[in-house]
Amino acid sequence: DQQVKQNSPSLSVQEGRISILNCDYTNSMFDYFLWYKKYPAEGPTFLISISSIKDKNEDGRFTVFLNKSAKHLSLHIVPSQPGDSAVYFCAAIKGGSYIPTFGRGTSLIVHP
Amino acid sequence: EADIYQTPRYLVIGTGKKITLECSQTMGHDKMYWYQQDPGMELHLIHYSYGVNSTEKGDLSSESTVSRIRTEHFPLTLESARPSHTSQYLCASSGGDPYGYTFGSGTRLTVV
Repeated sequence: DQQVKQNSPSLSVQEGRISILNCDYTNSMFDYFLWYKKYPAEGPTFLISISSIKDKNEDGRFTVFLNKSAKHLSLHIVPSQPGDSAVYFCAAIKGGSYIPTFGRGTSLIVHP
Repeated sequence: EADIYQTPRYLVIGTGKKITLECSQTMGHDKMYWYQQDPGMELHLIHYSYGVNSTEKGDLSSESTVSRIRTEHFPLTLESARPSHTSQYLCASSGGDPYGYTFGSGTRLTVV
């Protein structure tokens, strides 16, 4: 039973346009959310996070939005660049835990 | 510059062999983790440690074992490799802060 769901296995976007990656969760005990970026044959790297007390967090081209009532978060990348092509994992942490629960990832391809 | 190191990066081994995947970190993190990840799937936690001489099994049943004799070192051992063990194995460490959840580059294991 997946508690963190990324329903789009892949997304293709033109360079310069916006990329929107979506993530849904089922467990209301999650209070911290993270996005990781993973290139093939590499480990995931931390990208951006958001606490459940916020609804938006921005870092350069990357913005994460959290809708707690819908149990939904999204990662916006503007503008998208070919170097952004990677697999993006959504993860969620329950209060008091150190261990994230991961989604299955979305493969983003940004075309030049 | 990586602060968490995994060796080997790639390994092809015959069925029945014993293997040890190495993981070391130089950040002084007390918490370390092993994940298994297949393409298109979420990262599954197989082992974790919150300190020296402390190890626990994760959510995914695994035939591997781990040890934590030194803070910086968290090796994973398969006593008898099988084709079903073919996967990518990712080591991570953290100091408790979700921002500090750092992954190694992974070991791609193929059992033939």
